[in-house]
Amino acid sequence: GAVVSQHPSRVICKSGTSVKIECRSLDFQATTMFWYRQFPKQSLMLMATSNEGSKATYEQGVEKDKFLINHASLTLSTLTVTSAHPEDSSFYICSAREGGAGGKTGELFFGEGSRLTVL
Amino acid sequence: AQSVTQPDIHITVSEGASLELRCNYSYGATPYLFWYVQSPGQGLQLLLKYFSGDTLVQGIKGFEAEFKRSQSSFNLRKPSVHWSDAAEYFCAVGARSSASKIIFGSGTRLSIRP
Repeated sequence: GAVVSQHPSRVICKSGTSVKIECRSLDFQATTMFWYRQFPKQSLMLMATSNEGSKATYEQGVEKDKFLINHASLTLSTLTVTSAHPEDSSFYICSAREGGAGGKTGELFFGEGSRLTVL
Repeated sequence: AQSVTQPDIHITVSEGASLELRCNYSYGATPYLFWYVQSPGQGLQLLLKYFSGDTLVQGIKGFEAEFKRSQSSFNLRKPSVHWSDAAEYFCAVGARSSASKIIFGSGTRLSIRP
């Protein structure tokens, strides 16, 4: 299957700093990527839909100025947590749908996740 | 609005026993349904998916799921579980469009009793 890679897998930062997480589709192009957040022992909460070449679409209750998403190419989307605080500590997972527009299989491939800890 | 319900938060079964994880969905059109597995601290891996056709879907690792439209269910089954199956299992529903969201259930944690 297709591969989605996230980097870094773990990051620890001080409160008030910004952290960038990368999501790459390694062997396919993805016009759309999705960013999820997962709290301990909970399900995945969709944060935003990242669209190549245009603004991301955020879910209700997600601060777009806090969680900046950039999808500059068909293989890369980035999530920047700005002015991070301890409550932003979480497991962030990205996914991409193979096949570009129309998604021929509909299957989402997930990255390995990035665990953010804000001190 | 689309939603997914996994009524069982935690299930424990003995190694070698059969398994069924429940999933019910609410969706306005014919849904596309997925089961994912997540090991601790890891990303998600697709076990199987249903798009159309045969309502009994075979997946990896010996898992299968059956789509029952009349019951709005997509339960996951395995005839004989292995200790390595201990993980978190998520049912999800979505549509075919590449821009369409996939919504996840709350997950079921599976523990295996030796």
